[in-house]
Formats: sequence, structure tokens, C-alpha cells
Amino acid sequence: GEQVEQRPPHLSVREGDSAVITCTYTDPNSYYFFWYKQEPGASLQLLMKVFSSTEINEGQGFTVLLNKKDKRLSLNLTAAHPGDSAAYFCAVSEAGYQNFYFGKGTSLTVIP
Amino acid sequence: DTTVKQNPRYKLARVGKPVNLICSQTMNHDTMYWYQKKPNQAPKLLLFYYDKILNREADTFEKFQSSRPNNSFCSLYIGSAGLEYSAMYLCASRGYNYAEQFFGPGTRLTVL
Repeated sequence: GEQVEQRPPHLSVREGDSAVITCTYTDPNSYYFFWYKQEPGASLQLLMKVFSSTEINEGQGFTVLLNKKDKRLSLNLTAAHPGDSAAYFCAVSEAGYQNFYFGKGTSLTVIP
Repeated sequence: DTTVKQNPRYKLARVGKPVNLICSQTMNHDTMYWYQKKPNQAPKLLLFYYDKILNREADTFEKFQSSRPNNSFCSLYIGSAGLEYSAMYLCASRGYNYAEQFFGPGTRLTVL
């Protein structure tokens, strides 16, 4: 089955610095890619979804890159602020998108 | 309302006793999922309901039961809890036109 590896498990950056989290996956049939953010005590919230035809997506203060050739998905927070401190999870699914395969998560701390 | 609710948020159980966790959503989503999340591990899919059809993962088939009495509610049932069941249990739902899953805040189960 699909294997998703997420790195790093813990990340600490200063406010204003960039933070990069990367996931690699193994199944070439993977079709949909997701980043979720989880603040303490709260639900996983969808940050961004990326489909197979999309390589770069930009959101509020972050960029998601998908490289299907290398089977790599990354989340780049361009100028981190303390409100970005949370756990981040990548998830991958096939075209039928019934099953999600998650990474183990990255705990991000942004130091003011 | 795009929230998924879970009850209870915290559950203490004794070894050998049954446990019943509840999830609800009012988005009329046709698929509901249960995941198990342990520290430093990726959320692991246990089972999901697509409408009234239950799909259970092969490696947890005998450990967990579920029911979905109507579209809004889904339960996760453990017949005889063991210490290894201590974990966070996440419920999620997905609508037909969505690729992403919507998550509840989780139930933290501690088995003593």
C-alpha cells in the first residue's frame, strides 16, 4: 500500500523566517494531495488541496509544491508568525479518494 | 455548518470493558470515517461507511465495529478494550462532490 513519509517531525523557526515541510509518497497512482493544520485541542483543518494537474498553489502566507516525478509534496510557509504554530499533516489519496494516507505530522513552533 | 462533532471528547475505560464513541455531522455527507491516532504515528484508517456500506481495514477487522443508524451519526465500538486501544480517535466525513475530508476534534481514549 501507499507509504507517506513526512519530514521533519519537529520544526522550530523564528517569526518572519520560512518553514518547509516535505512529504514523499510511493504510489504513482496517487492523485489528490492535501495539507491539514491542527491547532492544539482543535480539529484538523484543510489548508490546501492539490490535484494532479497542479504543481504550485499559493495560499495566505504559504505555497504548496507538487512534484509528481519525484513523488514529493511540500508546504512552504514564507514568513512564519506565531499563529502558524501547530501540527501539520500531509495526506494522499488515489483517484477514487476514499482512502487517505497520512504522514506522521510535523509540529511547528514559531518563536516570536 | 461544516463541523463534525464527536462525543465524548475524553473517555476513560477499564481493560476488558466495552467502549462506544459517537460522531455526527449535519452536512449530509455520504461517507464517514474513523481513524486511530497514536503519538508520533500517522492517523490510521480503521473503517469507513459509504452510505450504509461498511468497509473495514483488514488488519483491524476484528477489533472494531461500527454502526450508522442514519446519515448523520456514526459510532465506533470496541467490544473489549485493551491497553493498546489507548489513542485519539478521529472521525471524518466527506461529501460526494468533495475530495477532502472534514474532521472532528477527536476523542481521547485512555484504557486502564
